[in-house]
Amino acid sequence: QQQVKQSPQSLIVQKGGIPIINCAYENTAFDYFPWYQQFPGKGPALLIAIRPDVSEKKEGRFTISFNKSAKQFSLHIMDSQPGDSATYFCAARNSGGYQKVTFGTGTKLQVIP
Amino acid sequence: DTGVSQNPRHKITKRGQNVTFRCDPISEHNRLYWYRQTLGQGPEFLTYFQNEAQLEKSRLLSDRFSAERPKGSFSTLEIQRTEQGDSAMYLCASSLMALRTTGTQYFGPGTRLLVL
Repeated sequence: QQQVKQSPQSLIVQKGGIPIINCAYENTAFDYFPWYQQFPGKGPALLIAIRPDVSEKKEGRFTISFNKSAKQFSLHIMDSQPGDSATYFCAARNSGGYQKVTFGTGTKLQVIP
Repeated sequence: DTGVSQNPRHKITKRGQNVTFRCDPISEHNRLYWYRQTLGQGPEFLTYFQNEAQLEKSRLLSDRFSAERPKGSFSTLEIQRTEQGDSAMYLCASSLMALRTTGTQYFGPGTRLLVL
């Protein structure tokens, strides 16, 4: 059972555009929602994260929007650059136990010059 | 460098051979995780250590897989009698669980395994 659904699977935008990646979850026990960026052949790197009591968080050109009632959250990349071309994973962490992190299936972003 | 390190970065082996991977977490982190990632998918949880204790194992972790974290420092993941289906990227992550910390997991670069 996929607990974190991510879309789209791939995305192509022009430089300066604002790609938006969406995620939805079902488990109300999730208490922390990180986004990871992964380049080919590398491990995922933490990009930005949000807790469900916050509706929006900005760090540089990256913004997370969070809708707790709809159980949805999204990543916006402002003024996208070719160097942002990577695969992005949303994730959700359980509040209890060992705080298991469940990942979405990833979005491959290509920013063309 | 204070990040998570993994060795080797790449491993090619023949079916039936045993392989062992090593992970060195961020030094003050008390939690260590192993994940497996196949092409086009997100990382899937395999197992988790709190200090030296292995507290959780996924159903993905068959009897051929074993992980250790002696003395709560580095960890090893061994796969016995490898199968072609074991070909994947094996990722290690670590986190610090303490008061006023987020417990964010930080990933290493991974070990890419190819079983021929």
